[in-house]
Amino acid sequence: KNEVEQSPQNLTAQEGEFITINCSYSVGISALHWLQQHPGGGIVSLFMLSSGKKKHGRLIATINIQEKHSSLHITASHPRDSAVYICAVGQGAQKLVFGQGTRLTINP
Amino acid sequence: DAGVIQSPRHEVTEMGQEVTLRCKPISGHNSLFWYRQTMMRGLELLIYFNNNVPIDDSGMPEDRFSAKMPNASFSTLKIQPSEPRDSAVYFCASSPGPENIQYFGAGTRLSVL
Repeated sequence: KNEVEQSPQNLTAQEGEFITINCSYSVGISALHWLQQHPGGGIVSLFMLSSGKKKHGRLIATINIQEKHSSLHITASHPRDSAVYICAVGQGAQKLVFGQGTRLTINP
Repeated sequence: DAGVIQSPRHEVTEMGQEVTLRCKPISGHNSLFWYRQTMMRGLELLIYFNNNVPIDDSGMPEDRFSAKMPNASFSTLKIQPSEPRDSAVYFCASSPGPENIQYFGAGTRLSVL
């Protein structure tokens, strides 16, 4: 069993829909990261969180430490949100272990 | 700032050749990371440095791989000799410190024939 599991692996939705991507982990962590990988391959860090909730624009990330679970939400989704979203957990201060990614496609 | 700069962007080489990938972190960042991404295994941490010192190289696959950070503005990842199974995208990332997000370079796509 992988240390970091994401669901779903693939998600297709219509523009404007509310999107939720889930991440579960099985190890102790210092922080959880959400990353976005564009179709061209570039990787951008979206959030780093160790408790509670963070919001940036239409993106919201939450974490439940007791349940070892995090969610990434996208409100009012747009085709430009189409990307692979990757959850990573920090074991120790910086050593990241990655989930397999969720491929999101938003159709106009 | 130009962000994390990796070179080359693409590298095609033949099995047995030496390959050197280069990374310039964001100025002022104290931590530098090397990752490998493949279809089968996804993203994996190879090695990371704090203040130019290697902290954890447990992800380096074998002795054919080596990484150096001679100063705060430059790092290399070397594969010698290269093998077809080393074909992947190699990312470098830097961060201001342990409690900060990481900033990724554009990656180097390596193909070993």
